[in-house]
This record gives sequence, C-alpha cells and structure tokens, in this order.
Amino acid sequence: EPEVTQTPSHQVTQMGQEVILRCVPISNHLYFYWYRQILGQKVEFLVSFYNNEISEKSEIFDDQFSVERPDGSNFTLKIRSTKLEDSAMYFCASTSTGAGVYSPLHFGNGTRLTVT
Amino acid sequence: GNSVTQMEGPVTLSEEAFLTINCTYTATGYPSLFWYVQYPGEGLQLLLKATKADDKGSNKGFEATYRKETTSFHLEKGSVQVSDSAVYFCALGGSQGNLIFGKGTKLSVKP
Repeated sequence: EPEVTQTPSHQVTQMGQEVILRCVPISNHLYFYWYRQILGQKVEFLVSFYNNEISEKSEIFDDQFSVERPDGSNFTLKIRSTKLEDSAMYFCASTSTGAGVYSPLHFGNGTRLTVT
Repeated sequence: GNSVTQMEGPVTLSEEAFLTINCTYTATGYPSLFWYVQYPGEGLQLLLKATKADDKGSNKGFEATYRKETTSFHLEKGSVQVSDSAVYFCALGGSQGNLIFGKGTKLSVKP
C-alpha cells in the first residue's frame, strides 16, 4: 500500500538555525498537510496546500514557517529560525480530495525535531 | 471554536478486557468524527469514522457512535488484545481536510 514518507526521522538543530523537513506524499494525492505534536500535547494543524499554494493555515504557522512543493514528488516544511518551542514531532499528510470524510488523511511516521 | 476532549491516559488493561475511551467535542454545525491510532514508531492511521448523527463507525472490532445529543464519540472494543496497544486520537473534521485532534490516549494491554 502506498505510504507517505518523511525524512529525516529525527533532526537536531541549534536555536536560530533553519531546518527543512521533507515529505513525499502518496503519488496521486493532491492535498498536502503539515501537523505537529509537542510532546504530551495535542496534534495541531499547521497548514494545508493544494494546487501549489497554501489553502489554509493555523495561527501557529507564522512567518517563520513556509511550505513548498519544489518538484512533482516532494513537499517540504521550512522553519527559518528555529526556537526551542519548535521542538515537536512534525507529521506530513496527504489525501486525494480535500474532504477528509471521503478520503482519509494518510500520515507519515513523523520527523522528531529537537531544538537545542 | 471547534475542539475535542478525550480522556486522559494512560489506560492499562488485561487482554480480553472491555475498552472505552471517552471523547466529547464542541463544534458548530455537524462535523465528521474520526478515531486515529498510532502504533509505536508509526504514523497516524485512520481507525474509523462517522459522518453524521447516529452513524456508527467500526473497524477491527472497535466501534464508535456519533451522538449529537451528548456531543460524544466514545471508542469501544469488547475484548482488547496486546496488539491493540497504541495511542488513540479522537478528531473532528474541518474544511479542506483540516482535522482537530484530541490529546491522545495511550492504551497498554497486558497479556
């Protein structure tokens, strides 16, 4: 069964550094998402992306964050200048339609980001 | 705004015990409701869903009924197995596939 893959599985970076988290969504999917989960807290929506542009974003997704689909397969999340509070598990997801009802979100295994 | 509250874990049960994980929600309108499961070292997987009031979602022996009157979507299983040990997330669906998750409940099943 096709999977969403994320790399790396664990990223350690120093505060103030830029990080790029990478995701390869399922190939025929059109809608892409990033979520994050700070340890012990809720899984939180960050951003959704369709047709090469952001379709929705949360309050968390401020100017420090950006997303890109640089080619036909990758979907990246960039954090420009990391802060300690960015430490979390970041999940990528994709779906073939925009409605989660009929086409469930398929999640990757996550990238654990640790900012020191 | 929309939100999901689920029971705090961890929950520890013996094999073949009955499982209930409570989930209540606050929402405008009638969103779809979901349970996702995360097995150790893996991503989130859809376990079951319900799209309207009184719908019952079911999968792998798990069930949950969309109760509009109590704004609840409790997860149940009659007889848990060790392989059910995982973290379970209740979620409600927004537009564009935006899911609002609960905090997750860790279930440990002992043989």
